[in-house]
Amino acid sequence: AQTVTQSQPEMSVQEAETVTLSCTYDTSENNYYLFWYKQPPSRQMILVIRQEAYKQQNATENRFSVNFQKAAKSFSLKISDSQLGDTAMYFCAFIKPTSNTGNQFYFGTGTSLTVIP
Amino acid sequence: KAGVTQTPRYLIKTRGQQVTLSCSPISGHRSVSWYQQTPGQGLQFLFEYFSETQRNKGNFPGRFSGRQFSNSRSEMNVSTLELGDSALYLCASSHTFRANTEAFFGQGTRLTVV
Repeated sequence: AQTVTQSQPEMSVQEAETVTLSCTYDTSENNYYLFWYKQPPSRQMILVIRQEAYKQQNATENRFSVNFQKAAKSFSLKISDSQLGDTAMYFCAFIKPTSNTGNQFYFGTGTSLTVIP
Repeated sequence: KAGVTQTPRYLIKTRGQQVTLSCSPISGHRSVSWYQQTPGQGLQFLFEYFSETQRNKGNFPGRFSGRQFSNSRSEMNVSTLELGDSALYLCASSHTFRANTEAFFGQGTRLTVV
């Protein structure tokens, strides 16, 4: 079974500072995809960043970057220059791309991030 | 283009009743997945439909069912509602069922069972 663990239920960061959200996962698969989703109070899940397990290079999207450690099964999200609009619940998620599971996400329990002005 | 639309946004039902939730995917998307989000259990996968066929099902009782129509719109139904069914129900649409295609989520339906 696939499990995703986010050990930080809540975090806060000063505006313009950097914060790192942790995520670990457990799987016996070798090929899979990892995601960070953001869920603001509007409730809509928004994709922040995606990482393919077969790629060694860490994914980056503007102020967002990941530290993907495949052997350690760790997938942390770094947010640089934090902005008030980054305040949201952040979910780490996993998909294994086999033909019978398609788009079934396995989500962590989330980290509530508050950016303090 | 329009995003994923879920209706209704809020719903209050009485224990024992049944409920139907609707999800209209992004135009051209043929895969729709449903998730239940609760504070205690987090986000849990309910089922996935592609081209009117259920491809995958999560570990939920038979009271939870769904279907997909030829226009890719999907409905999920919960019969004999229980208090524990109170949750945010999210649907996600994607172009195909392949894991490397991006999934887009709707804003969810907040179901309260009293």
